[in-house]
Amino acid sequence: SQTIHQWPATLVQPVGSPLSLECTVEGTSNPNLYWYRQAAGRGLQLLFYSVGIGQISSEVPQNLSASRPQDRQFILSSKKLLLSDSGFYLCAWSVALAGVGEQFFGPGTRLTVL
Amino acid sequence: QKEVEQDPGPLSVPEGAIVSLNCTYSNSAFQYFMWYRQYSRKGPELLMYTYSSGNKEDGRFTAQVDKSSKYISLFIRDSQPSDSATYLCAMSVGSSASKIIFGSGTRLSIRP
Repeated sequence: SQTIHQWPATLVQPVGSPLSLECTVEGTSNPNLYWYRQAAGRGLQLLFYSVGIGQISSEVPQNLSASRPQDRQFILSSKKLLLSDSGFYLCAWSVALAGVGEQFFGPGTRLTVL
Repeated sequence: QKEVEQDPGPLSVPEGAIVSLNCTYSNSAFQYFMWYRQYSRKGPELLMYTYSSGNKEDGRFTAQVDKSSKYISLFIRDSQPSDSATYLCAMSVGSSASKIIFGSGTRLSIRP
């Protein structure tokens, strides 16, 4: 069965510090991968998605970047965090070429920028 | 106008009641419709998905899609305190690189 991991679970960082959140998927090959941010009481905002190694699409201009160095690894980064980067970050995967669109989410990382 | 509209609630009902959660949408190209359940401080988990119009039942849960009205519903029968969570509707056009559009979620509380 497929499993998706995210770490760390919680993170408190000062403004201006760098960020690296990691997501890995097990039990599937060539998944589509996604990074979302969920602000308190709000819906899911798609930040980045990837259909393959090194292929990243950005949905919203922002202070963040994403990379996919391996097939089942997706990394969210920032060089200098802003207060507005606080939120609940979720990684998700879906089966490529399935055409259904179901996405499966990881446990999330709660980021607080002080 | 948002592509997907969902009443944020909160919605509070007594245990055993039938719950109705709804979303409306504006993009007639949507073909796949999903409901996710999200417990506090956890990632969303896929509850049900349906393709095109019609009903789909899974235990106490029934998903309903009315494409002519651009309206989807999730019904929960015999609601339990463990059903207390935020429910997000989601939908997609359906393609090899599908992007899903999510509703903002409805917070549901089942009172014992």
